[in-house]
Amino acid sequence: RKEVEQDPGPFNVPEGATVAFNCTYSNSASQSFFWYRQDCRKEPKLLMSVYSSGNEDGRFTAQLNRASQYISLLIRDSKLSDSATYLCVVNLRAGTASKLTFGTGTRLQVTL
Amino acid sequence: NAGVMQNPRHLVRRRGQEARLRCSPMKGHSHVYWYRQLPEEGLKFMVYLQKENIIDESGMPKERFSAEFPKEGPSILRIQQVVRGDSAAYFCASSPRIVAGGLNEQFFGPGTRLTVL
Repeated sequence: RKEVEQDPGPFNVPEGATVAFNCTYSNSASQSFFWYRQDCRKEPKLLMSVYSSGNEDGRFTAQLNRASQYISLLIRDSKLSDSATYLCVVNLRAGTASKLTFGTGTRLQVTL
Repeated sequence: NAGVMQNPRHLVRRRGQEARLRCSPMKGHSHVYWYRQLPEEGLKFMVYLQKENIIDESGMPKERFSAEFPKEGPSILRIQQVVRGDSAAYFCASSPRIVAGGLNEQFFGPGTRLTVL
């Protein structure tokens, strides 16, 4: 079983649609959680951190369910510029180490 | 405030040559991480360094790969005797000091795309 699993997509949605991505992680001791965005052939960019209580940043809402080891990202009112690959990322901390474990990403294509 | 800097952005090597990838962390960041992304795959952790110390190298291949982060200058990822399978994008990330219980976000550089002929 992969440490972080995501549906690879692609998700093809029209502008203005609401789209949701899900992610599961296998290590119950995981400490912190993030969504990154990666455009084609570019570096991952931090989209938002995910808090236990859930958090919202404009059109983006992230949720964390520790009991189910499940993370979600909701994008409302999709824009063409939202087209990218969305990476679910988990911080597996052991001692002083702080390495990130990435899912393979969910590809989103927003169309006119 | 400059972000994480990596150079070169593109590197072509023939099999058997050495590749040196450099990373300068964001100002004020003392922790550096290297990740590798093979074509059509997710990013994989390679190594985590602080100044003059390797903290976690659990993701590094046992042979040919080494990393350092000297007291002065950038972090270096060195690949000796490259093979075609080393062709990938190598990303460096940095973070400020680790805070227990904190989010400890990492910020990525633009990557070095290594092509081995």
